[in-house]
Amino acid sequence: DAGVTQSPTHLIKTRGQQVTLRCSPKSGHDTVSWYQQALGQGPQFIFQYYEEEERQRGNFPDRFSGHQFPNYSSELNVNALLLGDSALYLCASSLEGTKNIQYFGAGTRLSVL
Amino acid sequence: GENVEQHPSTLSVQEGDSAVIKCTYSDSASNYFPWYKQELGKGPQLIIDIRSNVGEKKDQRIAVTLNKTAKHFSLHITETQPEDSAVYFCAASSPGSNYQLIWGAGTKLIIKP
Repeated sequence: DAGVTQSPTHLIKTRGQQVTLRCSPKSGHDTVSWYQQALGQGPQFIFQYYEEEERQRGNFPDRFSGHQFPNYSSELNVNALLLGDSALYLCASSLEGTKNIQYFGAGTRLSVL
Repeated sequence: GENVEQHPSTLSVQEGDSAVIKCTYSDSASNYFPWYKQELGKGPQLIIDIRSNVGEKKDQRIAVTLNKTAKHFSLHITETQPEDSAVYFCAASSPGSNYQLIWGAGTKLIIKP
């Protein structure tokens, strides 16, 4: 049973560019949440997708957007990258109705130069 | 909104001794409290969780206690081993926020041989 998988593992971009990160949830899970983790800090909630719609959003600008596909996989898009967007981006999956016990992937390390 | 504080930021214990990490939360509506372990270069791994209708939960060498009145919960690791060295995060969530996780800042646990 595959766990949560994220791609790519590492990414280097320059300021102003756009990036897309991908996540495949754990088998049987239908809800995907995205978190940003700066070095030495706890993860910060970006948004959550369920039934292909964003249903909860943290305190992030609309440069951060996402999508969930019918197979429950998800993408995180960040436009107009800033140096401060450099972080580990984590995807977590859960099953609606199980009080959202969340399982995490290994993350995508984004470096903005 | 919810705020979670975690102490200490670094904890160094002798192998075989016990380690205790403490968290406080602010939102009385929070009812789910997971603990995650994060090793270098990896995503957070759920190690134990507790719900607000339970005061204590144990899983082998790991236990979590919850005091709803005081709004604090703690992670206890007994008979520590070198592989317990990692960063530990507490988190809190509530049904009103679709169970988005609000995280503590993390505790770096160092097990001295």
